[in-house]
Amino acid sequence: EIVLTQSPGTLSLSPGERAALSCRASQSVSSNYLAWYQHKPGQAPRLLIYGASSRATGIPDRFSGSGSGTDFTLTINRLEPEDFGVYYCQQYGRSPGTFGQGTKVEIK
Amino acid sequence: HLQESGPGLVKPSETLSLTCSVSGGSINNSSSYWGWIRQSPEKGLEWMGSIWRGGTTYYNPSLKSRILISVDTSKNQLSLKLSPVTAADTAVYYCATLNRLYDPLTGYPTFYMDVWAKGTTVTVSS
Repeated sequence: EIVLTQSPGTLSLSPGERAALSCRASQSVSSNYLAWYQHKPGQAPRLLIYGASSRATGIPDRFSGSGSGTDFTLTINRLEPEDFGVYYCQQYGRSPGTFGQGTKVEIK
Repeated sequence: HLQESGPGLVKPSETLSLTCSVSGGSINNSSSYWGWIRQSPEKGLEWMGSIWRGGTTYYNPSLKSRILISVDTSKNQLSLKLSPVTAADTAVYYCATLNRLYDPLTGYPTFYMDVWAKGTTVTVSS
């Protein structure tokens, strides 16, 4: 199984700032099959990014994904109050797909 | 819209049974895959298995001997059975629609999650 390590564990930021979340894989992720999800308490997780850099339907363009191989980044420009929550990466290039442990983005 | 239902408490060695009701669309007419994911403090998020409307299933090898996923197209429902359970199966269980691709090395299907339900908590305890 591919192990995904996310960093930092917690990111404390103010609205309007930029967030950069890292996801590092224990081996290369085939075809950049890497997704990012947002999860807020009491809500269903939401798909943000797939294929490392493609935004899912309805996701604002302040969310962007980048990276390849073993290193991937989710960038959130101009943080909005509704962006605070936990973010997970998932690789689906090697079966079974696996998830990172999450990065919590909290209000500073 | 997806919503899970089922017992919140299951005894060790028994069977965990959950249902996911699909509204706003038909499982039978959908090209999506459907699946179950769970999240526990110990193991984090874990893909459990996936099914296509025709009944073809794919399971995480870590659960393969204990899991059964099925669809009931007449009720527009997806179901999960896990047996026997232990305390390690205590988790929040999510159903979701999935997009299928293929592992370039093995050719085995692999999935990412499109639309998730809110999840339901299941505790395994006597």
